[in-house]
Amino acid sequence: DQQVKQNSPSLSVQEGRISILNCDYTNSMFDYFLWYKKYPAEGPTFLISISSIKDKNEDGRFTVFLNKSAKHLSLHIVPSQPGDTAVYFCAASATLSGGSNYKLTFGKGTLLTVNP
Amino acid sequence: ETGVTQSPTHLIKTRGQQVTLRCSSQSGHNTVSWYQQALGQGPQFIFQYYREEENGRGNFPPRFSGLQFPNYSSELNVNALELDDSALYLCASSSQTSTEAFFGQGTRLTVV
Repeated sequence: DQQVKQNSPSLSVQEGRISILNCDYTNSMFDYFLWYKKYPAEGPTFLISISSIKDKNEDGRFTVFLNKSAKHLSLHIVPSQPGDTAVYFCAASATLSGGSNYKLTFGKGTLLTVNP
Repeated sequence: ETGVTQSPTHLIKTRGQQVTLRCSSQSGHNTVSWYQQALGQGPQFIFQYYREEENGRGNFPPRFSGLQFPNYSSELNVNALELDDSALYLCASSSQTSTEAFFGQGTRLTVV
């Protein structure tokens, strides 16, 4: 039973345009959501997060939107750059389980390719 | 500030053997979590250690065990290795009040 789903295995975008990565979840207990970026041969790098009390969080070129009623979140990257080419993982946590960094549940990831 | 470091980076073991993977947490972090990432999958939570005690466990058998030391570094031990244990093993450190976990580069384990 996959509780965090990233239904698009890959996405290709032109440099300068917007990249939109999507994530759906099924567990209503999740109340904290994170996006990680992963380059080959490196560990995941934290990008941006959002608490369930918010519906939007912005950090530079990265914005995460949360729609609790739809159990859906998305990561917007604008403008996209070739250096953004990586696998992006959506992760969720249930803070009642013992802290917001406890037991992250990850999706399978989406490979974003930004073409020059 | 030093980041999360894992050793070794690559390892090949034979089925049935035992393996120990190591992780040094980021300075100031007292919580360490271990994840297994199989090919084409997202990382899966194995367990977490806080103040040298196991603080939660995912759906992994008892042959996966761990330790955390007073300096907050950690070990992951896997006994009786199986072919399906071949994966990237990731260590993540955080502080108990932090909202993010910071990952090491991982150890690529191949069981043959």
